[in-house]
Amino acid sequence: TQLLEQSPQFLSIQEGENLTVYCNSSSVFSSLQWYRQEPGEGPVLLVTVVTGGEVKKLKRLTFQFGDARKDSSLHITAAQPGDTGLYLCAGPRSGNTPLVFGKGTRLSVIA
Amino acid sequence: DSGVTQTPKHLITATGQRVTLRCSPRSGDLSVYWYQQSLDQGLQFLIHYYNGEERAKGNILERFSAQQFPDLHSELNLSSLELGDSALYFCASSDGTVTEAFFGQGTRLTVV
Repeated sequence: TQLLEQSPQFLSIQEGENLTVYCNSSSVFSSLQWYRQEPGEGPVLLVTVVTGGEVKKLKRLTFQFGDARKDSSLHITAAQPGDTGLYLCAGPRSGNTPLVFGKGTRLSVIA
Repeated sequence: DSGVTQTPKHLITATGQRVTLRCSPRSGDLSVYWYQQSLDQGLQFLIHYYNGEERAKGNILERFSAQQFPDLHSELNLSSLELGDSALYFCASSDGTVTEAFFGQGTRLTVV
């Protein structure tokens, strides 16, 4: 059973479109992180959300942590080909423990 | 550049063999984590070391072992390799707060 479920698994969109990807769990997390991974590279940390209901913006990317701290979403406005990659959410299972990862959403933005 | 260095980048070996993967963490980071990434399972946590001591074990097979040395670099040893061990192996480091983990570029292991 996957602790963090990400959806959709695959997403292919045209440049300029908006999109939202989701990360859901039945467990409460003290924090959740979002990473982007490009082929042949390791995951790169985008953001950490800590407080329930928190919204963080990183240029065209908006991250939200659910009020109950069981879910998170990533919204991309006016997607660009450079946004293409595997988006992973992760969180500590409990306390200060190693991160568990979702399987990711593979995004392809077509010019 | 995350500051985490992994070698080698690619490794091809035969079934039954043993390999060692190496990781140098970011300067000042005491924690090293090893992850295995396959297409169907995603990123799976293997093991965590903090300042030379094992702190947590995940889905690590008995054929696999790791250690962290006094200079804080870490090695992951994989033995009696099977075809199913083919995957990307990542090392990540942090200063000890799990909310900030920085990943290396990974080692792609192919067992033939």
